[in-house]
Amino acid sequence: GAVVSQHPSRVICKSGTSVKIECRSLDFQATTMFWYRQFPKKSLMLMATSNEGSKATYEQGVEKDKFLINHASLTLSTLTVTSAHPEDSSFYICSAGSPGGNTIYFGEGSWLTVV
Amino acid sequence: AQSVTQLDSQVPVFEEAPVELRCNYSSSVSVYLFWYVQYPNQGLQLLLKYLSGSTLVKGINGFEAEFNKSQTSFHLRKPSVHISDTAEYFCAVRNISNFGNEKLTFGTGTRLTIIP
Repeated sequence: GAVVSQHPSRVICKSGTSVKIECRSLDFQATTMFWYRQFPKKSLMLMATSNEGSKATYEQGVEKDKFLINHASLTLSTLTVTSAHPEDSSFYICSAGSPGGNTIYFGEGSWLTVV
Repeated sequence: AQSVTQLDSQVPVFEEAPVELRCNYSSSVSVYLFWYVQYPNQGLQLLLKYLSGSTLVKGINGFEAEFNKSQTSFHLRKPSVHISDTAEYFCAVRNISNFGNEKLTFGTGTRLTIIP
């Protein structure tokens, strides 16, 4: 079945630095991918919709300049957390739906810890 | 706008007992319905989905769910739970579309804890 993969699964970075998380659709082309953030013991909060070849669509309250999204190919979307702060520490999950399909598949998630 | 309500934030159940996790939704358009499971420190795995047809859908790991349009519900059930079912369960909806580019709206999740 369709598989979505994220990398890295865990990353620790220093405050003030930037970190990139990759999301790949392994066996289908995804024109649209989604980035979610999950706080401990909380539900998933949609951050943005990543559109291949165009700008991402951000949800209200999400800082575009802080969470940079690039969807340069049909199988890869990246989320870059710029000038990271400890409050950015969270579990970030991406998802993608195969064209013509009706199910959205999720990546394994990436734990970001900013120290 | 859509919304998903999972009234039970935590559900403790004895091993081999039945369980029902409740999900109600609100939407002005027709939707697809999903249940996802999240094991500790992992991403989300699709348990089952309702797209059309029979209102009773069966998923992986012995779970099933029934779509009730009049009650706008999609409750998840399992007749006999196992220790390995301990996880967070999320109900989600999305607009019906021919494309895979519709975002999901999630409930707040239900923590299922199986008691030995």
